[in-house]
Amino acid sequence: GENVEQHPSTLSVQEGDSAVIKCTYSDSASNYFPWYKQELGKGPQLIIDIRSNVGEKKDQRIAVTLNKTAKHFSLHITETQPEDSAVYFCAGLNYGGSQGNLIFGKGTKLSVKP
Amino acid sequence: DADVTQTPRNRITKTGKRIMLECSQTKGHDRMYWYRQDPGLGLRLIYYSFDVKDINKGEISDGYSVSRQAQAKFSLSLESAIPNQTALYFCATSESTGTGGNTIYFGEGSWLTVV
Repeated sequence: GENVEQHPSTLSVQEGDSAVIKCTYSDSASNYFPWYKQELGKGPQLIIDIRSNVGEKKDQRIAVTLNKTAKHFSLHITETQPEDSAVYFCAGLNYGGSQGNLIFGKGTKLSVKP
Repeated sequence: DADVTQTPRNRITKTGKRIMLECSQTKGHDRMYWYRQDPGLGLRLIYYSFDVKDINKGEISDGYSVSRQAQAKFSLSLESAIPNQTALYFCATSESTGTGGNTIYFGEGSWLTVV
């Protein structure tokens, strides 16, 4: 089955700098890779996703890149702001059965210092 | 009001007690899930249900059971709680399509402490 590794586990950046979180996956059949943001005291919320038929997707200050050959994908946040501080989870879709379920990484706690 | 509502939001219970976490959703989704979150371990799937008559075990189902009472309701039970079940539990929903890759909508979580 799918295994998703996420690095780093914690990341601290200065406001205005960029932040990059990286994930690797094991199942070459996986084709859907979302990123979720969890703010303090709340449930995770989807912020961006990418499917295996594209290499990059961008939405304002956030972007995700996918390298299918190397089986890794990354979240890029530019011009970070204090409200970007949260825990971020990557995930991959596991085709373990007729319908897959997401396998999540262990999370990255991002702190943006003003 | 939240689309995915969990009750209780916080509960302290004793070892050996039975505890039920309830979830209801107003999104009209067929699929519902229960996840567990532990520090440093991410989100792990306990059980999932693709419709009222379909219940499936996830990664870590031992010690848990579920009931899908209706399309909108999915409850998680710990028959005999133990301290290592202390965690943050999330209910979630998603639409159903054949290929997967659908957005998962999470509730706000239920903190469970087993002493």
